[in-house]
Amino acid sequence: GESVGLHLPTLSVQEGDNSIINCAYSNSASDYFIWYKQESGKGPQFIIDIRSNMDKRQGQRVTVLLNKTVKHLSLQIAATQPGDSAVYFCASRNTGTASKLTFGTGTRLQVTL
Amino acid sequence: GAVVSQHPSWVICKSGTSVKIECRSLDFQATTMFWYRQFPKQSLMLMATSNEGSKATYEQGVEKDKFLINHASLTLSTLTVTSAHPEDSSFYICSAGGGQGAGLRREQYFGPGTRLTVT
Repeated sequence: GESVGLHLPTLSVQEGDNSIINCAYSNSASDYFIWYKQESGKGPQFIIDIRSNMDKRQGQRVTVLLNKTVKHLSLQIAATQPGDSAVYFCASRNTGTASKLTFGTGTRLQVTL
Repeated sequence: GAVVSQHPSWVICKSGTSVKIECRSLDFQATTMFWYRQFPKQSLMLMATSNEGSKATYEQGVEKDKFLINHASLTLSTLTVTSAHPEDSSFYICSAGGGQGAGLRREQYFGPGTRLTVT
């Protein structure tokens, strides 16, 4: 079946360090990927996206890397701040599924002072 | 731009009653709206996809007679949980997509969620 999963359920990072959150997906037909941040009791917040014709995309303090060969996606957060503490989800869309997204299991990022 | 709201933000209802949750795209027209369910410490699970003016498409295992979805306009979709039971207690999140308008780059725009507690 189709799945999008994360390797680590909880990641603890010291403030100021870089964070790397990983995600594996299984469907080679996935053509679009998104990272979301979700704070407690709130809806998902868009962070960054990447299409399958790219292998890297950068935003403000965040970078997404895509390795289609091994079906792996990562989110890098530079200079992690306490406000980055949240649960992070990757999501994928398969070609032709009319924007339907499949979410990964989520990683909780804890930023320690 | 591209704001999606949900109402109510939280609701408590008694077992056996029905509760309606609204999802609105405030500043754009969304041809497609999605409804997700999220249990504590778990991921978002897609329940159904609704297109304006047509019947919703439900994911496998989701009871369409229990979770009634109506998408009567390009800015409003409603989810009604009928004959709610404690196991229906969850965080329900909608998203809107397929919008038309300047600056709409993303696949889906998410609402803030509705916490349903059934006692």
